[in-house]
Amino acid sequence: NAGVTQTPKFRILKIGQSMTLQCTQDMNHNYMYWYRQDPGMGLKLIYYSVGAGITDKGEVPNGYNVSRSTTEDFPLRLELAAPSQTSVYFCATSSGPINYGYTFGSGTRLTVV
Amino acid sequence: KQEVTQIPAALSVPEGENLVLNCSFTDSAIYNLQWFRQDPGKGLTSLLLIQSSQREQTSGRLNASLDKSSGRSTLYIAASQPGDSATYLCVTRNAGNMLTFGGGTRLMVKP
Repeated sequence: NAGVTQTPKFRILKIGQSMTLQCTQDMNHNYMYWYRQDPGMGLKLIYYSVGAGITDKGEVPNGYNVSRSTTEDFPLRLELAAPSQTSVYFCATSSGPINYGYTFGSGTRLTVV
Repeated sequence: KQEVTQIPAALSVPEGENLVLNCSFTDSAIYNLQWFRQDPGKGLTSLLLIQSSQREQTSGRLNASLDKSSGRSTLYIAASQPGDSATYLCVTRNAGNMLTFGGGTRLMVKP
C-alpha cells in the first residue's frame, strides 16, 4: 500500500532554477492537493484538483503551476525558484469533497539558495 | 474566515499520564475535523476523522470528541508513551473544500 508518494524528499535549488515536485497516488482518489509548510507555521494550500483535467488555485498559488492529466499524478512546477519558496511541500489526497479525510505524502523539503 | 487554535502549544508529561489536547475553531460550519500527528521531518499521519454529525471517534488509546456548537474538539490520549511524542494537528474541513490547520501541540512524553 504505497498511498501517496512524493519525490524527491529533499532538494536544493539555486535562485531562478526550475523543478517539478512529483506526487503520485494509488488510491484512486479524485481530489488532490498541494500544501506548503513554512517553519513554525501551519499548512497553506497552493493548488488543488477535483479530478483529471481540473485544477484550481488555493491560498498561495503565485510562483507555482500544476497539471492533472491522470487521476494518479499531480505534479507541482516551480518555474523560477525564489528564496521565499524554501519550504516543505506536502501532497494530499481525498476520496471525496466533504465527508472524507485526507491522506498526506511524506513531504519534499526544498531549499532555494 | 475559519481560525483554528490549539492549546497548549507545547506539553511535556511523564510516561503513563492521560492527557487532553484542545482544539477550538471559530466557524462551526465544518464538514469534518481530523486529527493528525506529525513527527519531526516527516509527513502527516491521520489519527482520527470526525464527521460533523458525529460526537466522537476512538482508535486504540486515542479518543477525539467534537462539539460543533461550541467550536471545540479534544483529543484524549490514554496511558501516554514516549512513542506518542510528536506534534498533533487539528484540521477542519470547511465549505469551498478548504482545510484550516491549527498551529499544533508539540507533545513530549518522558520515560
